[in-house]
Amino acid sequence: GQQVMQIPQYQHVQEGEDFTTYCNSSTTLSNIQWYKQRPGGHPVFLIQLVKSGEVKKQKRLTFQFGEAKKNSSLHITATQTTDVGTYFCAGLRNFNKFYFGSGTKLNVKP
Amino acid sequence: DAGVIQSPRHEVTEMGQEVTLRCKPISGHDYLFWYRQTMMRGLELLIYFNNNVPIDDSGMPEDRFSAKMPNASFSTLKIQPSEPRDSAVYFCASSSETGANVLTFGAGSRLTVL
Repeated sequence: GQQVMQIPQYQHVQEGEDFTTYCNSSTTLSNIQWYKQRPGGHPVFLIQLVKSGEVKKQKRLTFQFGEAKKNSSLHITATQTTDVGTYFCAGLRNFNKFYFGSGTKLNVKP
Repeated sequence: DAGVIQSPRHEVTEMGQEVTLRCKPISGHDYLFWYRQTMMRGLELLIYFNNNVPIDDSGMPEDRFSAKMPNASFSTLKIQPSEPRDSAVYFCASSSETGANVLTFGAGSRLTVL
């Protein structure tokens, strides 16, 4: 069954608008990773969050890990057409078994 | 490093045929994962290996699926006999604990079973 829930499933935005995707787990995670998959491509690692309440930034991307380490979010400020793709969170519970969320597919209209 | 290398990139086969997908992980990575991606079920972990030993195969759909890792630089995922519902993109990924468990994915093998 689905271990990590991710919403929304799809998001269509106008270029320049902001975008946020949310990831929720029913159990505490050791850490969480975020990946981006371009259309027709493969998932590519973006970032890893380990500490409770951690916030990390990569240019226009802001990643947060919840205080209880059960949820996370990815926020993109002022989207660009190059941001198009599907964003996945992956939660690690034990050993090296990552549970991927269902992904949020982002479409950016120029 | 050339990254994780998968072959074939595309395979079209008929129901009942045997399919073998191949993966070469990044040198030095001690974990290897097989994922399946479909529109309906998203990214599913099928099996993973640590130091060539299968650790968790609970995601393998049924006995028609088998995976091996005879050495640190090669793994196979075999489907026999294949069925139309096996049509999907199969990704291989590798990681290492010293590399903070970051998954590096291959380009994937797109399988179509007619």
